[in-house]
Amino acid sequence: DVKVTQSSRYLVKRTGEKVFLECVQDMDHENMFWYRQDPGLGLRLIYFSYDVKMKEKGDIPEGYSVSREKKERFSLILESASTNQTSMYLCASRRAGELFFGEGSRLTVL
Amino acid sequence: AQSVAQPEDQVNVAEGNPLTVKCTYSVSGNPYLFWYVQYPNRGLQFLLKYITGDNLVKGSYGFEAEFNKSQTSFHLKKPSALVSDSALYFCAVRDENTNAGKSTFGDGTTLTVKP
Repeated sequence: DVKVTQSSRYLVKRTGEKVFLECVQDMDHENMFWYRQDPGLGLRLIYFSYDVKMKEKGDIPEGYSVSREKKERFSLILESASTNQTSMYLCASRRAGELFFGEGSRLTVL
Repeated sequence: AQSVAQPEDQVNVAEGNPLTVKCTYSVSGNPYLFWYVQYPNRGLQFLLKYITGDNLVKGSYGFEAEFNKSQTSFHLKKPSALVSDSALYFCAVRDENTNAGKSTFGDGTTLTVKP
């Protein structure tokens, strides 16, 4: 079975802190994604990567950056967290069109 | 541009009754269509997909979906609902002409199955 692991299920950070959300997949998938999930807004794509060191902006990249130094790891970075970034963050990898999601990281910014 | 709409925020059905969760889409090319389910405090799980071929697609847990090109719809169905089907359901679309990454998700429909 494909496994996508997000390092932290729950985080609480303060405004202005730098936040790292880590995601690792174990199936050698080329494509990886970071989504943000908010009630009533569905899933919105922040960034995606189709290969090592390659990245593309999604629909809401502002305030975020990403890093993909190894194929299995895709990190989401909040350079200076703000309260409007309080949300559920979902990482996914893709094979044959199907997305495999991690369990999610619920971030609260105070 | 691609988009997807789930017109119902909430669907309530009694256990044993058939259920339908609606999804309509808009793409410029041919669509790739997906349904995912999310249980509380969990990530999304894949249910089924339509890429090409038979318009009726069967998926996990007894779910199926029918692709209707003329109505641009991809409704999720199950003949007999279970209480354990209660969850949040997302429809997603990707235009075959889009670049490698972008699937667009609907806002989600909360399904509640009552005993």
